[in-house]
Amino acid sequence: SQTIHQWPATLVQPVGSPLSLECTVEGTSNPNLYWYRQAAGRGLQLLFYSVGIGQISSEVPQNLSASRPQDRQFILSSKKLLLSDSGFYLCAWSAGGHQPQHFGDGTRLSIL
Amino acid sequence: GQQLNQSPQSMFIQEGEDVSMNCTSSSIFNTWLWYKQDPGEGPVLLIALYKAGELTSNGRLTAQFGITRKDSFLNISASIPSDVGIYFCAGPGDTDKLIFGTGTRLQVFP
Repeated sequence: SQTIHQWPATLVQPVGSPLSLECTVEGTSNPNLYWYRQAAGRGLQLLFYSVGIGQISSEVPQNLSASRPQDRQFILSSKKLLLSDSGFYLCAWSAGGHQPQHFGDGTRLSIL
Repeated sequence: GQQLNQSPQSMFIQEGEDVSMNCTSSSIFNTWLWYKQDPGEGPVLLIALYKAGELTSNGRLTAQFGITRKDSFLNISASIPSDVGIYFCAGPGDTDKLIFGTGTRLQVFP
């Protein structure tokens, strides 16, 4: 069966520091991969998605970037974090198209 | 663009009560998905609907794909404390993307 892993689960970073969040999927090949951000008590905002290695689509202009160095690995990065980058970051995978997406457990990021 | 409106925004109910929530779209969908998000965790898929009029159950949960294809309903029978969380509907957006509703927050009191 397929599983998705995100780490770390929580992260506290100072303003201006770099960021790297990692997501990996097991048990499937060539998945679509997604990064979402969720503000407290709010809905899901799609940040990036990828349909293949090295293919990244950005949904909103922001201080973050994404990369997909391997088929089942998706990384969310920033060179310099802002206070507004705080939130709950979720990675998800799907089999493609409009198939259901399956989420990781999330990373809670706090910027001080 | 496409939007999904969920109602109610929040519900406060007593354990044992039945719950009903819905999701409406401004355009026709051919798939409806319902997710539940426990506090501090990622959303988990509860039910997927693929056909207008379809009624699908998962334990105490029942979801229906509206015949107009512009809405869907989720019912929870005999609620229990672990039903607490945020319930999201979702439907197809642009290629390879889903649109998520704004969520219904459910609170269950013993």
